[in-house]
Amino acid sequence: ETGVTQTPRHLVMGMTNKKSLKCEQHLGHNAMYWYKQSAKKPLELMFVYNFKEQTENNSVPSRFSPECPNSSHLFLHLHTLQPEDSALYLCASSPRFRDRGLNEQFFGPGTRLTVL
Amino acid sequence: EDKVVQSPLSLVVHEGDTVTLNCSYEVTNFRSLLWYKQEKKAPTFLFMLTSSGIEKKSGRLSSILDKKELFSILNITATQTGDSAVYLCAVRGGDNYGQNFVFGPGTRLSVLP
Repeated sequence: ETGVTQTPRHLVMGMTNKKSLKCEQHLGHNAMYWYKQSAKKPLELMFVYNFKEQTENNSVPSRFSPECPNSSHLFLHLHTLQPEDSALYLCASSPRFRDRGLNEQFFGPGTRLTVL
Repeated sequence: EDKVVQSPLSLVVHEGDTVTLNCSYEVTNFRSLLWYKQEKKAPTFLFMLTSSGIEKKSGRLSSILDKKELFSILNITATQTGDSAVYLCAVRGGDNYGQNFVFGPGTRLSVLP
């Protein structure tokens, strides 16, 4: 247990569905991240939130919509996804960004998403 | 464009062997290099390196960074079957306090009994 939880652990959805992934961290961290891990590809950073403010959006399609209501919770809202969006979606948190080199990330177990 | 390259991509060894995993990188405004172990789902943190030439050690694992040549190595001595996993190298950099993490493709290590 890393102190980062994700729900659901598995999700199957159709291309017209709307669903949300949830991430919660119990570590008192101030930065949270969404990653996508597809088969045979490196982990791809999608979004970064620092003190609830989105600071990175790595050219992610608008069908993925993040939300960070507070520094402990992070959501990824999904709508009209494509089959190629099927992947493992990992959430991570880290302490803070103001200090140089002090930010190892702690990962959640991930949500395995299948888009039919 | 920021990138991280790892080699080899796959490695099969027998218990007791020593392995060296390589990671080279190009990143804007380098902050730190991190090693993770990913067995089934969540990557678990191993090391964070920020300074050249200082070895980090944890049990049979050790790692060192060379910021001049832009690479790092992860050594595992006396390997055990429980070391079988994908080892990920990531580099933190970018502008704005370095909020960009770039991961390499990973090295898949299989340790046979």
